[in-house]
Amino acid sequence: DAEITQSPRHKITETGRQVTLACHQTWNHNNMFWYRQDLGHGLRLIHYSYGVQDTNKGEVSDGYSVSRSNTEDLPLTLESAASSQTSVYFCASSDQRQGGQETQYFGPGTRLLVL
Amino acid sequence: GNSVTQMEGPVTLSEEAFLTINCTYTATGYPSLFWYVQYPGEGLQLLLKATKADDKGSNKGFEATYRKETTSFHLEKGSVQVSDSAVYFCALRNDYKLSFGAGTTVTVRA
Repeated sequence: DAEITQSPRHKITETGRQVTLACHQTWNHNNMFWYRQDLGHGLRLIHYSYGVQDTNKGEVSDGYSVSRSNTEDLPLTLESAASSQTSVYFCASSDQRQGGQETQYFGPGTRLLVL
Repeated sequence: GNSVTQMEGPVTLSEEAFLTINCTYTATGYPSLFWYVQYPGEGLQLLLKATKADDKGSNKGFEATYRKETTSFHLEKGSVQVSDSAVYFCALRNDYKLSFGAGTTVTVRA
């Protein structure tokens, strides 16, 4: 079955370290998204991509970067982790070809703790 | 810009009670509207959606109607079960991107 996976599921790191969270989908979806979930804020969009070599900033992109070298993967990198980036991170994908009828499918999430 | 406001929780109900979670939105154009559900320890799952005014989305006994005149998409279920305990998110989509409400935690007691 097609799916979307994230790794690691849990991560503890120290302030200042670079961290990369992986997201992999097997639906061949054009669109991929990264969100962070914090209490009281719902999910907020960090970065998104509409296809290979395309990346765009979301509403909370400072301190994060992404790259899209193939259709299946959109890794999220925290260049220098900060305690404010402690959160639960969700990856999602959708099929652009459905032209307005597409649904976003979410991965299981990565819980990141920055000490 | 786009924004979604949903009622604050937490909401605690007894089994078989009626559930309503209010959701209103601000958006340019004609967004699609969604309810997602997050069960403990899991990612988000699509519960239902509506893509144009007056559409009614329904799934698992839940319903929501896209009301353009009141810019609302309230979620309702007539008789909740313990298994409905979860966090519910209202969201709108413009240009492929989703904007979420803050989420409402619902706990159903046996």
